[in-house]
Amino acid sequence: GAGVSQSPSNKVTEKGKDVELRCDPISGHTALYWYRQSLGQGLEFLIYFQGNSAPDKSGLPSDRFSAERTGGSVSTLTIQRTQQEDSAVYLCASSSSLNQPQHFGDGTRLSIL
Amino acid sequence: DQQVKQNSPSLSVQEGRISILNCDYTNSMFDYFLWYKKYPAEGPTFLISISSIKDKNEDGRFTVFLNKSAKHLSLHIVPSQPGDSAVYFCAAISNSGNTPLVFGKGTRLSVIA
Repeated sequence: GAGVSQSPSNKVTEKGKDVELRCDPISGHTALYWYRQSLGQGLEFLIYFQGNSAPDKSGLPSDRFSAERTGGSVSTLTIQRTQQEDSAVYLCASSSSLNQPQHFGDGTRLSIL
Repeated sequence: DQQVKQNSPSLSVQEGRISILNCDYTNSMFDYFLWYKKYPAEGPTFLISISSIKDKNEDGRFTVFLNKSAKHLSLHIVPSQPGDSAVYFCAAISNSGNTPLVFGKGTRLSVIA
């Protein structure tokens, strides 16, 4: 299908390691978003990219988190020196523009041991 | 400071009856509202939306009502079906702003056969 694709679907790693999560948005979508959902919580906004504008990083919880979007398409979310509280489902979404409905991937379930 | 609030974390409804999910918002600049549905291990999927110029939008069994003066919206599902059991997220955005959707924490709907 032509939906949002995220990889890996599951990631288990040891505390202190770095992880990279990947998102392939829907082709042609200029806006890309990262969220996370911790157990029993709602969707927590992390960062979004809109076209060639500087990303809005206002939701990133610490400087261990960073994201980039190469060529206006694929995005990677990097978490350095992971902590147990980073365990969550990380969801990526894309939309044709900022105020259009977002289409979500199925997420990456990250577990920090 | 939650700008979009879903005060009921869970709701149980008998099959065939009406499900009513509620959402309140605080930001008067919001002018476009969406509902998303999320099954376990899947990303949220867009369900229905409403612009602030309307007070009702209907799509099959799903109707969203907007009360701007009360800053309140609700999603009605009738008749409810077991397959509707999921977490429902309310989201809002200001079309004149430059910020992405703001999501509520979700309401888990269980439709009992």
